[in-house]
Amino acid sequence: KQEVTQIPAALSVPEGENLVLNCSFTDSAIYNLQWFRQDPGKGLTSLLLIQSSQREQTSGRLNASLDKSSGRSTLYIAASQPGDSATYLCAVGTGTGANNLFFGTGTRLTVIP
Amino acid sequence: SQTIHQWPATLVQPVGSPLSLECTVEGTSNPNLYWYRQAAGRGLQLLFYSVGIGQISSEVPQNLSASRPQDRQFILSSKKLLLSDSGFYLCAWGASGDTQYFGPGTRLTVL
Repeated sequence: KQEVTQIPAALSVPEGENLVLNCSFTDSAIYNLQWFRQDPGKGLTSLLLIQSSQREQTSGRLNASLDKSSGRSTLYIAASQPGDSATYLCAVGTGTGANNLFFGTGTRLTVIP
Repeated sequence: SQTIHQWPATLVQPVGSPLSLECTVEGTSNPNLYWYRQAAGRGLQLLFYSVGIGQISSEVPQNLSASRPQDRQFILSSKKLLLSDSGFYLCAWGASGDTQYFGPGTRLTVL
């Protein structure tokens, strides 16, 4: 069964700093990988989707990379802002079922003004 | 554009009472639909998914059931709630191999 781990569980950085969030998964036979953002008490907002054949995806200040063979993905956030404070979730799509997702437990990010 | 709705937003129910949570999607046809639960201190867990009307697959054995009576309607139910059913329930939709889009969630507290 796919296991997804996110380290660290929590991270505090000063505003303006660049940062990297890590995600690792145990089974490299993935279909795709998604990064989501969750604000307290809210649903998930999709940030980036990387297909298994891709190495990275970019959206604005966000860049996600995927190294399938080593079972790792990173989310890079440039020039962090207080509005980036949220929990970031990594989810691996296995391609089974309806491309069911396996989620990590997230990294809670706090950007200090 | 597509929109996903969930209701109610919050719910407090006694142990042993029934449950019905509803999810509807607008602006798309024949979506894959999903129910997830997020328990306190734990990651999101997929409970059910559906690839079409009347087609329900369960990922984990549990006290809950799901139904899809219409193409864009997904319902999560229980006949008798347990304390362990408390959590944040999220509905999502997606096309195969594509991004999943999540609803605003329902916070369920079973007392």
